[in-house]
Amino acid sequence: GENVEQHPSTLSVQEGDSAVIKCTYSDSASNYFPWYKQELGKRPQLIIDIRSNVGEKKDQRIAVTLNKTAKHFSLHITETQPEDSAVYFCAAIKFGNEKLTFGTGTRLTIIP
Amino acid sequence: GAGVSQSPSNKVTEKGKDVELRCDPISGHTALYWYRQSLGQGLEFLIYFQGNSAPDKSGLPSDRFSAERTGGSVSTLTIQRTQQEDSAVYLCASSGGQETQYFGPGTRLLVL
Repeated sequence: GENVEQHPSTLSVQEGDSAVIKCTYSDSASNYFPWYKQELGKRPQLIIDIRSNVGEKKDQRIAVTLNKTAKHFSLHITETQPEDSAVYFCAAIKFGNEKLTFGTGTRLTIIP
Repeated sequence: GAGVSQSPSNKVTEKGKDVELRCDPISGHTALYWYRQSLGQGLEFLIYFQGNSAPDKSGLPSDRFSAERTGGSVSTLTIQRTQQEDSAVYLCASSGGQETQYFGPGTRLLVL
């Protein structure tokens, strides 16, 4: 089955700097890669996703890149703000399967 | 429209008692998932329902855990003879076939 690895497990960045979280996946057939943000005590919420037919997707300060050859994808947050502090989970799935495999999460702390 | 709802939001029980956790998915969503999240940890997959197909129970940690989904909508996760290590947040998610999963607020279970 699919295996998703996520790094780093914790990340602290100064407010205004950029943060990058990386994930690798094992199943080359996976073709959908969502990212979830989970604030303390709240449910995970989808913040951005990418499909295997594109290499990059951007939404304001958040972007995701995908390298299918290397089987890795990354979340980029620019101009970080205190409200970006949360746990971020990457995931991978093969279309038609619908069973997401999640990474282990990255606890991002923005230092004011 | 209404999102995924779960009840109860919090449950305190004594070791050895049975508990039932309920999930109401988004109307029309055919896929439903249960996850367990221990404090500060990642998302542990428990079980997955897709339409009328047999559920994927591969994540259930022991035979004390079971789940059913009636009429393709509401799901109940049952934990029999609860143990202290069962204490966690139990999250439900649903999907409408577009891969994206939407999470409920979770049930916080504490076994004393």
